[in-house]
Amino acid sequence: GDSVTQMEGPVTLSEEAFLTINCTYTATGYPSLFWYVQYPGEGLQLLLKATKADDKGSNKGFEATYRKETTSFHLEKGSVQVSDSAVYFCALSEADSNYQLIWGAGTKLIIKP
Amino acid sequence: GAGVSQSPRYKVAKRGQDVALRCDPISGHVSLFWYQQALGQGPEFLTYFQNEAQLDKSGLPSDRFFAERPEGSVSTLKIQRTQQEDSAVYLCASSLRDRTYEQYFGPGTRLTVT
Repeated sequence: GDSVTQMEGPVTLSEEAFLTINCTYTATGYPSLFWYVQYPGEGLQLLLKATKADDKGSNKGFEATYRKETTSFHLEKGSVQVSDSAVYFCALSEADSNYQLIWGAGTKLIIKP
Repeated sequence: GAGVSQSPRYKVAKRGQDVALRCDPISGHVSLFWYQQALGQGPEFLTYFQNEAQLDKSGLPSDRFFAERPEGSVSTLKIQRTQQEDSAVYLCASSLRDRTYEQYFGPGTRLTVT
């Protein structure tokens, strides 16, 4: 079945550092790919998405490119802030499975001032 | 506008008790999903509704779990004879159309079974 693997956390960075959180997937068809973020005490929020190969999703300075050849969707940000501290989830969905989201385990990001 | 709401936010149940968790989706949203999130893990799919029809319940872990959405709006997830392994956060998400990808999540209900 489909699955998502993302790098384990926690990831600890200093403010203004460059961020990469790796995400790879296995899928039987052509999934859409997502990054969700969960800030402390809050619900899951969609951060960005990409629905086909080579698409780049972007939001709030974060970017991720749908790479079909490497089955990856790595999350990047050029300069992180303390307010980016949260748990980040990579996920996919496919039409064949009623668009249910299949999730990675999450990566906790800690940004120190 | 109002987002997805869930109640209660926290529930403590003694093993063997029945619980009911409520989800109010965004008004007009056709699709509704339930997920279970264990501590330190990503969410796992439980069940999916399109309006009042439950189209997929393949993720429900046992026949103690039951979900309904009788009028195509509010949904209830019921767990009978709760067990300790049922302790988790239960997330509800809704989306506008049956084939849209973007799901909006509620804050979740944290269930602790003692």
